[in-house]
Amino acid sequence: EAQVTQNPRYLITVTGKKLTVTCSQNMNHEYMSWYRQDPGLGLRQIYYSMNVEVTDKGDVPEGYKVSRKEKRNFPLILESPSPNQTSLYFCASTRDRGPGELFFGEGSRLTVL
Amino acid sequence: KNQVEQSPQSLIILEGKNCTLQCNYTVSPFSNLRWYKQDTGRGPVSLTIMTFSENTKSNGRYTATLDADTKQSSLHITASQLSDSASYICVVISFGGGSYIPTFGRGTSLIVHP
Repeated sequence: EAQVTQNPRYLITVTGKKLTVTCSQNMNHEYMSWYRQDPGLGLRQIYYSMNVEVTDKGDVPEGYKVSRKEKRNFPLILESPSPNQTSLYFCASTRDRGPGELFFGEGSRLTVL
Repeated sequence: KNQVEQSPQSLIILEGKNCTLQCNYTVSPFSNLRWYKQDTGRGPVSLTIMTFSENTKSNGRYTATLDADTKQSSLHITASQLSDSASYICVVISFGGGSYIPTFGRGTSLIVHP
């Protein structure tokens, strides 16, 4: 089954404790991206990657890091989480050519205390 | 700057009624427009895709329209069901300089009451 898998789905952590949210897709997609979703603000892009070893900042990259060492994986790293990073995070992927349907993961709800 | 505006922000209707959601965009260059449905706490799922040359496309009880001249799209839901309660997000895709660029609306929250 074609899917985008995120882990963990839920996480409560404390300020300053490094964490990684993993994202994996099994559709051989070139393009992967991370979004955060906050009430009233919709989906905002954090980082995206057009292919292996190619990453770029989205609209709200501050406080986040990403890496793309393999085509299927695109982890989101919070080196020193702060309470304003409490949010619902989505990973998505697509072929970077053609109609460009974004396939989203199920989301990771992060709470930083 | 590319922008996608959706209206209304929220909508409450009775089961069985029809409704129409609006999306206005200023995105260039335009590739296609998609409507996504997002159930609470879940990831968005694509409902329809509209390319520049398409005016209308249906997916069951969902019908999307596109007016590329006025840069407006609508999503019409017929005979609403309780399971239609969700957020509906308009996303406009642009391909520019070899990059795939999605621009998201903030969504319309639809609640269908029995």
